[in-house]
Amino acid sequence: GENVEQHPSTLSVQEGDSAVIKCTYSDSASNYFPWYKQELGKGPQLIIDIRSNVGEKKDQRIAVTLNKTAKHFSLHITETQPEDSAVYFCAAKGGSYIPTFGRGTSLIVHP
Amino acid sequence: DAEITQSPRHKITETGRQVTLACHQTWNHNNMFWYRQDLGHGLRLIHYSYGVQDTNKGEVSDGYSVSRSNTEDLPLTLESAASSQTSVYFCASSDLREGLNEQFFGPGTRLTVL
Repeated sequence: GENVEQHPSTLSVQEGDSAVIKCTYSDSASNYFPWYKQELGKGPQLIIDIRSNVGEKKDQRIAVTLNKTAKHFSLHITETQPEDSAVYFCAAKGGSYIPTFGRGTSLIVHP
Repeated sequence: DAEITQSPRHKITETGRQVTLACHQTWNHNNMFWYRQDLGHGLRLIHYSYGVQDTNKGEVSDGYSVSRSNTEDLPLTLESAASSQTSVYFCASSDLREGLNEQFFGPGTRLTVL
């Protein structure tokens, strides 16, 4: 089955800096890569996703890149703000409806 | 607005008791999922369902069961609660249609087994 590795487990940055979270996957058949943000006491919420026929996608301060050959994808957050502090999960999904999640990254943005 | 709700939000129980966690969605989604979240393990899939009367085991299904009698609900039952089942449980749903892959998560239930 699919295996998703996510790094780092904790990331601490100063407000205004950029943050990068990286994930690798094992199944070359995976074709959908979502990123979820989980705020304290809440369920995860989709913030951006990318499909295997696209190399990069941006939405304001967040962007995701995908390298299918190397089987890795990354989340980039620019100009970080304190409200970006949360746990971020990457996931990979193939032909089934079941995504495989990474273990999560706790992002802390210091004012 | 469509939503997905879980109840109770917090539950304390004793070892050996049967516990049922409720999940209700108004998205009219065919797919529903139960995950547990533990520190260092991320989200682990317990059970999932692709539609009414369909249920499937996930990677950590031992000690848990689900039933799907209608589209809206997927209750999770712990047959005989164990301390190892102390966790935060999340229900999620998603659309069956091709290209609509987003999972919508509930707010979670924090379960403590003493």
